[in-house]
Amino acid sequence: DVKVTQSSRYLVKRTGEKVFLECVQDMDHENMFWYRQDPGLGLRLIYFSYDVKMKEKGDIPEGYSVSREKKERFSLILESASTNQTSMYLCASTGTGGLLTYEQYFGPGTRLTVT
Amino acid sequence: AQSVTQPDIHITVSEGASLELRCNYSYGATPYLFWYVQSPGQGLQLLLKYFSGDTLVQGIKGFEAEFKRSQSSFNLRKPSVHWSDAAEYFCAVGDANQAGTALIFGKGTTLSVSS
Repeated sequence: DVKVTQSSRYLVKRTGEKVFLECVQDMDHENMFWYRQDPGLGLRLIYFSYDVKMKEKGDIPEGYSVSREKKERFSLILESASTNQTSMYLCASTGTGGLLTYEQYFGPGTRLTVT
Repeated sequence: AQSVTQPDIHITVSEGASLELRCNYSYGATPYLFWYVQSPGQGLQLLLKYFSGDTLVQGIKGFEAEFKRSQSSFNLRKPSVHWSDAAEYFCAVGDANQAGTALIFGKGTTLSVSS
């Protein structure tokens, strides 16, 4: 089974702090994604990466950056956390080749609260 | 641009009753379609997927969905709901011409099950 893990289930940070959310997958997937989930808004794509050191902006990249130094790890960085970044953050990955690139496997999520 | 609409924000069904969750999509060509389920505090789990072929697809946990091109719909059904089915359900669409890109998710439908 594909396993996608996220470093923290719950995180509380202060406004202005630099925050790192880590995601690791164990299936040698090339594509990895970061979403944020808010009530009534569903999932919105922040960034995705299709290879090591490659990244693409999603729909709401402002205030975020990402890092992918190794294939299995995709990090989301909040350079200066703000209260409007309080949310559930979900990481996902997909396999390589054809239809496998569409099946997203999700981690358990990190619920971030910025105070 | 692709979009996914889940018209029902919240549905309550009695245990043992049948269930249908609605999903409509907007996409020019044949879409790739998915249903995911999210239990409270968890990540998303793939229930079923449609790429091509038979328009009635079977998934896990006794769920099925039917692709109707003429109605641009991909409704999720279950003949008899169990209390453990209470969760949030997301419909998603993928672009058949852009492998490896993110899915577009609907805003979700919360299912409550009454005894």
